Amino acid sequence: ETGVTQTPRHLVMGMTNKKSLKCEQHLGHNAMYWYKQSAKKPLELMFVYNFKEQTENNSVPSRFSPECPNSSHLFLHLHTLQPEDSALYLCASSQGYRERTEAFFGQGTRLTVV
Amino acid sequence: AQSVAQPEDQVNVAEGNPLTVKCTYSVSGNPYLFWYVQYPNRGLQFLLKYITGDNLVKGSYGFEAEFNKSQTSFHLKKPSALVSDSALYFCAVRDTADRGSTLGRLYFGRGTQLTVWP
Repeated sequence: ETGVTQTPRHLVMGMTNKKSLKCEQHLGHNAMYWYKQSAKKPLELMFVYNFKEQTENNSVPSRFSPECPNSSHLFLHLHTLQPEDSALYLCASSQGYRERTEAFFGQGTRLTVV
Repeated sequence: AQSVAQPEDQVNVAEGNPLTVKCTYSVSGNPYLFWYVQYPNRGLQFLLKYITGDNLVKGSYGFEAEFNKSQTSFHLKKPSALVSDSALYFCAVRDTADRGSTLGRLYFGRGTQLTVWP
């Protein structure tokens, strides 16, 4: 248990559905991240929030919409996804965006788009 | 450009033998270096990091890594492998010279699948 909790663990959705992924951390961290992990590809950084402010959007399609209502919670809203969006979505947090500290990862949400 | 290379997709070792998982990096400034491990259907778990000081850092589960500035490497090692060490290992670097939108970003390697056979 790393202190970063993601729900749901598994999600199957159709291309016309709307769903949300949730991430929660109780570590007192100020920075939160969304990563996408696809088979045979490197980890892709999607979004970064520092003190609830989005500091990075790594050219992610608009069908992915992040929300960070406070430093402890991060959401990823999904709509009209494509089959190639099927992947493991990982949330992470760290003490700060520029700090020397490591990031702590949640267990991920395995997303399948059908 | 900042990058991390893990030259081996797969490493196979026998239980009880020493293991090495290789990592090289390229950054503009000084690197902060990290190793993570991922078990099937799980998130990444932090193993160890190098920030400054002693080039040999020790981490969780008996792992250690050696920072070599001249070779820009940060190889992960363990003196005696266990079957339970079988997992996917990621090297990552944070570039202290990053500015603007890339400030603080962690750059990950593609991962190395370690298999320890009994």
